[in-house]
Formats: sequence, C-alpha cells, structure tokens
Amino acid sequence: AQKVTQAQTEISVVEKEDVTLDCVYETRDTTYYLFWYKQPPSGELVFLIRRNSFDEQNEISGRYSWNFQKSTSSFNFTITASQVVDSAVYFCALSPDSNSGYALNFGKGTSLLVTP
Amino acid sequence: NAGVTQTPKFRVLKTGQSMTLLCAQDMNHEYMYWYRQDPGMGLRLIHYSVGEGTTAKGEVPDGYNVSRLKKQNFLLGLESAAPSQTSVYFCASSYSGWDTQYFGPGTRLTVL
Repeated sequence: AQKVTQAQTEISVVEKEDVTLDCVYETRDTTYYLFWYKQPPSGELVFLIRRNSFDEQNEISGRYSWNFQKSTSSFNFTITASQVVDSAVYFCALSPDSNSGYALNFGKGTSLLVTP
Repeated sequence: NAGVTQTPKFRVLKTGQSMTLLCAQDMNHEYMYWYRQDPGMGLRLIHYSVGEGTTAKGEVPDGYNVSRLKKQNFLLGLESAAPSQTSVYFCASSYSGWDTQYFGPGTRLTVL
C-alpha cells in the first residue's frame, strides 16, 4: 500500500528564514511520481512540482528547492528566505495508486505560517 | 481556457436533502477525480473516472454517486446528505494517469 507521511503538522518561522518541509513516502512500485501542492488561505490547490522516481536530481525554482532521495524515501521541500505570501498548507502526494485510476495519495499537509 | 471549474462554490443542505456537484474541464483530459478534504485528513479519493462513460470507487465512496456522460464533465451526487458529508470537495483532472492533476477551486458543503 502507498503512504505519504508529513510529520510536521505546523511550522512557524519569521520572514527571511529558510524552512524545510519533510515528506516521507512508502510504495512498492518502481515507477512512481511525487508531487507538492500549495493551498493558500484562499483554498485552491496550486501545483508546485512533479518528479518521477528515476530522476533524483535536486530541483530549484527561484526560492523553492526540492531534495529527492530514494535511499531514504524522502522528497523534502525547502523555501529559502521565506516571505509572508508563503504562508499556506503544503501537501506532498504520491502517484500512482494503480488500483484507483492513478489517483494521488496525499499526506495530511504541513501548515506553514510566516510572520513579518 | 478556464481549466477546471466547479459549481457551486458553497452550499448548505439539510440532512436528507440531495444535490449534485458539477465539475467541468476544458483541457481534453481523460482522467477525472473527486476528492474530499477534511481538517487534519488531507485529501481522500471519493470516485474517479478514466474516460467518458466510466466511473469507479475510491477510498471513501459511501453516500456518493458519480456520472461521466461527457468527457468534459464529472458529476458528484449526494442522494441523502448526512452531517458526515460536511467537507470541502475538490475535482481534479489529468491527461493520463501519469500526468499532473489540476484541481478546481473547491466546493464547501455544509450539511446541517
């Protein structure tokens, strides 16, 4: 069975601090995809990144970076120099769940609060 | 190009009432999904569809029915609403099972 664990329920940082959101996953599949979504206070789900299991290169997009390590089944997300607009709930997700039409298995989310 | 849209955005029902949530996508996606989001639970799959005319159950299907008569639309029905169905409902679509899922804005449903 697939499972995604986001052990950090809530994180609070002061603006300009760096923050890392942890994601640990379990799967028996050899081919799979990992995702991060952002849910700001307005409620919509915003896609951030998709990474396949064969690509372990770290990725950087502006202030965002992702560290994928198959050896530890982790896909961590770092925000550098955090800003108030980064305040949101962040979800890590795993696909495919081939028994459910390749639906996403979501972690329970990490709520990030960035204060001025 | 509107992406994924959901109707309505908010709804309040009384126990036992019925309603239908509409999801529409204009990206020619084959796969569509309905999830519910509850506090501290993340998102859980209700039903999904891998193409026009097909539907299947997800993790939490009880009390819901779905239909996919047209490729662009995926309807979620509640025949007899219960307070346990108070939740935020998200629709998502993707071109294939391997592709990124794009989400609608959500429907906040309260059942009294």
